[in-house]
Amino acid sequence: DSGVTQTPKHLITATGQRVTLRCSPRSGDLSVYWYQQSLDQGLQFLIQYYNGEERAKGNILERFSAQQFPDLHSELNLSSLELGDSALYFCASSVRDGNQPQHFGDGTRLSIL
Amino acid sequence: GDSVTQMEGPVTLSEEAFLTINCTYTATGYPSLFWYVQYPGEGLQLLLKATKADDKGSNKGFEATYRKETTSFHLEKGSVQVSDSAVYFCALLNYGGSQGNLIFGKGTKLSVKP
Repeated sequence: DSGVTQTPKHLITATGQRVTLRCSPRSGDLSVYWYQQSLDQGLQFLIQYYNGEERAKGNILERFSAQQFPDLHSELNLSSLELGDSALYFCASSVRDGNQPQHFGDGTRLSIL
Repeated sequence: GDSVTQMEGPVTLSEEAFLTINCTYTATGYPSLFWYVQYPGEGLQLLLKATKADDKGSNKGFEATYRKETTSFHLEKGSVQVSDSAVYFCALLNYGGSQGNLIFGKGTKLSVKP
């Protein structure tokens, strides 16, 4: 058990819809990272937050946004969903800013119909 | 830009066989290198890492040496077990760029048969 909790585990929705993925980092970890894993693109870094502030941005689409709340949990919002957004979305956490993510959640599998 | 190339899988081995999964990288500066493992239905786990040239990372019988001259970080294990069946990802982190920006290879699926 990595200590990183992601909900929901599975999400099925339709094109054009909006969803929110939730992540609770491992206890004591201040950094949260979001990754997308798809068959064609592999694992792609989306965004990182540290103690509520955005720290780094990767290949995140404008239709996607994220935030980290005062209790350190994070949410990834995906809107105007397209078929190509179907993927596994992983959250990871680490203690400090500048560390590589060490603890990954089990992911949320998003299926767009 | 920075990139990681791993050998294509799947790799199928018998129990107690020797494992090598090749990984090469392209990066400016001096990245840190990592191997992550993903067991079926789970998230990634950090397996081992090396932060500078000639460093050897090791964990659970797995080893990898950071070779700057060949820009490689090959994963090895002397005797694999069925429980090692998983997908293995090589990754680099270049602190010169986005700090959270781990760049992953495509992953190599390993299946170990009893």
